[in-house]
Amino acid sequence: DVKVTQSSRYLVKRTGEKVFLECVQDMDHENMFWYRQDPGLGLRLIYFSYDVKMKEKGDIPEGYSVSREKKERFSLILESASTNQTSMYLCASTRGTVGTGELFFGEGSRLTVL
Amino acid sequence: GESVGLHLPTLSVQEGDNSIINCAYSNSASDYFIWYKQESGKGPQFIIDIRSNMDKRQGQRVTVLLNKTVKHLSLQIAATQPGDSAVYFCAEISNSGGYQKVTFGTGTKLQVIP
Repeated sequence: DVKVTQSSRYLVKRTGEKVFLECVQDMDHENMFWYRQDPGLGLRLIYFSYDVKMKEKGDIPEGYSVSREKKERFSLILESASTNQTSMYLCASTRGTVGTGELFFGEGSRLTVL
Repeated sequence: GESVGLHLPTLSVQEGDNSIINCAYSNSASDYFIWYKQESGKGPQFIIDIRSNMDKRQGQRVTVLLNKTVKHLSLQIAATQPGDSAVYFCAEISNSGGYQKVTFGTGTKLQVIP
């Protein structure tokens, strides 16, 4: 089975701190995504990557950056965390296009910024 | 605790009854749709998908109906069980700027009453 692993399930950070959220998938998927999930807003795409060292902005990239140095790892970075970045962050991956239906999610990382 | 369920419409169903969860999508050009299930504290899981050239697709205990005229998607769960309690949300996939864009609905919380 495909496994998408997010290293931190729960984090508490202070305003202004730098935050790294790590995501690793073990099925050699080309495509990886970072979403945030907030009540009443659904999942919103932050960044995605279709290849190593490649990144594309999603719908809400402001305040975030990403890194894809290896195919299996996609990192989300908050350079200076703010309270409005308190959220559930979900990483996902898929081998081909999303149209194949195989969009696999990790368990999520719940970030609280104080 | 998990805050995904807050502010969501809730459907309460007696165990053994059928459940119908609805979703309105926004883009008439979307050509692929997915239903996800998200249990408390977990990432979303794929349930069933449907392409725009179909109006019905059946899986094990689940059926998805697509009405393109009114841009409406529904998920029917037969003989609902306690393990079906979760948040369900739809996703529509369309092509945008050479990439596939996935737009997620905000979700419906299904509560199964034993």
